[in-house]
Amino acid sequence: QKEVEQNSGPLSVPEGAIASLNCTYSDRGSQSFFWYRQYSGKSPELIMFIYSNGDKEDGRFTAQLNKASQYVSLLIRDSQPSDSATYLCAVKPGANSKLTFGKGITLSVRP
Amino acid sequence: GAVVSQHPSWVICKSGTSVKIECRSLDFQATTMFWYRQFPKQSLMLMATSNEGSKATYEQGVEKDKFLINHASLTLSTLTVTSAHPEDSSFYICSAIAGGLDTQYFGPGTRLTVL
Repeated sequence: QKEVEQNSGPLSVPEGAIASLNCTYSDRGSQSFFWYRQYSGKSPELIMFIYSNGDKEDGRFTAQLNKASQYVSLLIRDSQPSDSATYLCAVKPGANSKLTFGKGITLSVRP
Repeated sequence: GAVVSQHPSWVICKSGTSVKIECRSLDFQATTMFWYRQFPKQSLMLMATSNEGSKATYEQGVEKDKFLINHASLTLSTLTVTSAHPEDSSFYICSAIAGGLDTQYFGPGTRLTVL
């Protein structure tokens, strides 16, 4: 069974700190990796996607991928209270195939 | 990014009635759409994969006769919950990808309450 594991959480950080969210996956053939943010009562919103090993930065967000270790992470710099949400890691083996989601980790940013 | 809409955003119905939920890709053509269900404080659960012009592929344990999916065009997929019961009350979310994109974009979701 292909699995995506995320830290159990919840994770609490003070405003302005770096939040580090981690995810591991079991399917070594996975090609695409996504991070979604879901506010309570809302649907998931795409934050970032990454396909290649290394770092990908977008504003305060950095996705990191290490295919050898089957590990993908999301760093949120200068965390804000508005970043408080559940973050979902998702993995899929190829284009037009279904995503496998982790259970999500809830982040709380303390003012 | 691509925009996916859902209608209605919420619906309340009586037990035994059927409810149709629409999912539309607004600025792209979606060859594949997905339907998810999410109960409070639980993970997303994939119900089925909907491909334009063909029958949907249902996940194990999802009743295809209860959750009817129709993907009649490249911009519209519908989910009909037939003979709804209170246990079907949930947050139903669709997502869509296009042939040339490798990313799923989610609709805003439909909250179904069955009385």
